[in-house]
Amino acid sequence: AQSVTQPDIHITVSEGASLELRCNYSYGATPYLFWYVQSPGQGLQLLLKYFSGDTLVQGIKGFEAEFKRSQSSFNLRKPSVHWSDAAEYFCAVGALGNKLVFGAGTILRVKS
Amino acid sequence: DAGVIQSPRHEVTEMGQEVTLRCKPISGHNSLFWYRQTMMRGLELLIYFNNNVPIDDSGMPEDRFSAKMPNASFSTLKIQPSEPRDSAVYFCANTLAGGDYNEQFFGPGTRLTVL
Repeated sequence: AQSVTQPDIHITVSEGASLELRCNYSYGATPYLFWYVQSPGQGLQLLLKYFSGDTLVQGIKGFEAEFKRSQSSFNLRKPSVHWSDAAEYFCAVGALGNKLVFGAGTILRVKS
Repeated sequence: DAGVIQSPRHEVTEMGQEVTLRCKPISGHNSLFWYRQTMMRGLELLIYFNNNVPIDDSGMPEDRFSAKMPNASFSTLKIQPSEPRDSAVYFCANTLAGGDYNEQFFGPGTRLTVL
């Protein structure tokens, strides 16, 4: 069965610093991979997605993620974090029936 | 399109009362999902529909929970009777027919508080 692990529950970075959020997945075939962001009191918003092709995908708000099959990873990165990036981030893998299997989420705090 | 619409946005009720949460999906959707989010358990899939037909309700916690999708434009999640442990944020999400596989569009959620 598919599963997603986000090893970091909380991460704190300084504004302007770079960011990397880790995501590892378990899936037998080529996965469909997603990153969502949830701001406080809001629903989940899609940041980026990977289906095939170029393993480095660009998303909204300056985020990117790299698919590494050998490591079963899909880490999210941003070169310079802004205070408005403080939110919870969810990695997800596609499953049968249009379902998504979500990780537990990583809460990002940004220090000014 | 206004996106996924959920109502109410906030609901406060007393234990034992019936609660009905509503979702209007995106036009052209093919699958609809109901999730529950709590601090303790994170994001849980409760039930999902394909083309208005319930496919998997294994995530529904108990018989007090029920969901319907009478047509392509409307779905409800009902809790009867409600209990304090049902307090959570409930999300509705859709995929689009012909859209990218598994990409789900989320509504803003309904925050339920059962006293």
